[in-house]
Amino acid sequence: ETGVTQTPRHLVMGMTNKKSLKCEQHLGHNAMYWYKQSAKKPLELMFVYSLEERVENNSVPSRFSPECPNSSHLFLHLHTLQPEDSALYLCASSQGTGRDNEQFFGPGTRLTVL
Amino acid sequence: DAKTTQPPSMDCAEGRAANLPCNHSTISGNEYVYWYRQIHSQGPQYIIHGLKNNETNEMASLIITEDRKSSTLILPHATLRDTAVYYCIVRVGYGQNFVFGPGTRLSVLP
Repeated sequence: ETGVTQTPRHLVMGMTNKKSLKCEQHLGHNAMYWYKQSAKKPLELMFVYSLEERVENNSVPSRFSPECPNSSHLFLHLHTLQPEDSALYLCASSQGTGRDNEQFFGPGTRLTVL
Repeated sequence: DAKTTQPPSMDCAEGRAANLPCNHSTISGNEYVYWYRQIHSQGPQYIIHGLKNNETNEMASLIITEDRKSSTLILPHATLRDTAVYYCIVRVGYGQNFVFGPGTRLSVLP
């Protein structure tokens, strides 16, 4: 248990659906992250939020829309996804974004797009 | 971020020390070395990190060479539950984030 929870743990959706992934951290951290891990590929950073402001967007398609309403919660809104978006989506948090801040990961949401 | 090189796989006997090497020959002075591991289909788990000095915590020890061009993660008494992919990452500065490579797949054998 890392103090970072993600819901749902598994999600199956069609290409025309709209769904949201939720992440919550109970660590009092100020930074939160979304990562994507496709089959047999390394983790890819998608978004970074620091003090509820987006500080990084790694050229992620607009069909992925993040939202950070407060420092404890992070959402990833999904719409009109493609089958190649099927992956494990991981949320992480850290105290800050400086070089001496380890990130703590949630268990991930396994997303399947049909 | 500096690039790291790790062996793709290693085996270790249960109860023995697992020594996982990492080369980071282009590391610069303000880059930290981080180790994470990922058990199949779970989120990565933080293990340890360091800058120059050797570090130890309840999970592992991190040995960084004096020139900082390589490091070794040591799991002192490996168990079957330590079977995972281990990632060595170097990270610099504000706004720079973790870049995960393919890592080392450690198999602890009974």
